[in-house]
Amino acid sequence: EIVLTQSPGTLSLSPGERATLSCRASQRVTSSSLAWYQQKPGQAPRLLIYGASSRATGIPDRFSGSGSGTDFTLTITSLEPEDLAVYYCQQYDGSVTFGGGTKVEIK
Amino acid sequence: EVQLVASGGGLVKPGGSLRLSCAVTGFTFRDYSMDWVRQAPGKGLEWVSSIDTGSNHIYYADSVKGRFTISRDDAKNSLHLQMNSLRVEDTAVYYCARWENDALDIWGQGTMVSVSS
Repeated sequence: EIVLTQSPGTLSLSPGERATLSCRASQRVTSSSLAWYQQKPGQAPRLLIYGASSRATGIPDRFSGSGSGTDFTLTITSLEPEDLAVYYCQQYDGSVTFGGGTKVEIK
Repeated sequence: EVQLVASGGGLVKPGGSLRLSCAVTGFTFRDYSMDWVRQAPGKGLEWVSSIDTGSNHIYYADSVKGRFTISRDDAKNSLHLQMNSLRVEDTAVYYCARWENDALDIWGQGTMVSVSS
């Protein structure tokens, strides 16, 4: 089973700042099978990025994904107050696994 | 409007059973694989089970294998999760979600399952 490790655990930034979230895999992940989700308090998760870098429908372009192999990144170029959430990465190699999440706090 | 509505959660004693359902509207249900994902209180996401189109391939997390059964009724646009021999550690919000492009692109609102004596 591929284990995904997300860092940092918590990110505290001010509106307008850039957020960089990391997802590291224990084995190589096919880029087409790496996704990112946003979960706001009290809500179901929402797909942000699939295929490592493709934005899902309706996702603002301040969200972008990059990376390959074992290291992937979610970048929020200019934080908005509504971006307060926990962000999860997920991979699929015949089995689905999620990372532990990064909590983004807005100062 | 694309919508997944999960139901069937509740409070059950250890060893008991529950059947979750997920009603789907707004897309051609039979054309998509579907999954269940759960989230224990204050914890992260855990994949539970998946079923492909036509129910030809079914998979379970090791933590639920042999106790949970996923099924689908394409005629009724519904997904189900039969949960038997429930344990305290099965306590979680259970989400149904649609599988597309190796990701879960549409999620239901979740249904809470509490296992406690």
